Amino acid sequence: GDSVTQMEGPVTLSEEAFLTINCTYTATGYPSLFWYVQYPGEGLQLLLKATKADDKGSNKGFEATYRKETTSFHLEKGSVQVSDSAVYFCALSFNQAGTALIFGKGTTLSVSS
Amino acid sequence: EAQVTQNPRYLITVTGKKLTVTCSQNMNHEYMSWYRQDPGLGLRQIYYSMNVEVTDKGDVPEGYKVSRKEKRNFPLILESPSPNQTSLYFCASSLRQGYGANVLTFGAGSRLTVL
Repeated sequence: GDSVTQMEGPVTLSEEAFLTINCTYTATGYPSLFWYVQYPGEGLQLLLKATKADDKGSNKGFEATYRKETTSFHLEKGSVQVSDSAVYFCALSFNQAGTALIFGKGTTLSVSS
Repeated sequence: EAQVTQNPRYLITVTGKKLTVTCSQNMNHEYMSWYRQDPGLGLRQIYYSMNVEVTDKGDVPEGYKVSRKEKRNFPLILESPSPNQTSLYFCASSLRQGYGANVLTFGAGSRLTVL
């Protein structure tokens, strides 16, 4: 079935380091792809999205490119901050009524100063 | 402010004592959903609703009930809670689900402990 696989965490970085969180997906069609972020004690919120191959989503210095050939949507940021410490979820969704958002298991990022 | 509101945020209860977690959204969204989040398992969908009076099971519906009598509300009911339902629960909504890249708006979460 359709699924999302994320790299396991935790990922521990120093401030200003480069971040990559890998995400690959398995899907029978052409999904939209998302990154959601969950800050401590809060619900998930959308970080960025891409709806078709080669689209790049970006927000708050984070970027991810929809790569159909490698079925990937890796999250990157050039210089992380302590405030980026959170759990990051990759997810996919199809353009069909009633289809659920399918989440990866989440990757915890911890950034120290 | 557009939001999804869940109550209670924290609850400790005992096995078998019925409880309801309320969820309300003020965005006139058609689609609403409940998830549970457990360590190592990520988010799993419990139930969802495409619109008023339309609900369907997600991946882990056992032990839960829902109703959608009004567009804004989607309560989660645990008729006889058990310890394996100890979890962090999230309600979410979107304008519609499956039509384009509709974004889910999440509540802040309800942490439930069943003793």
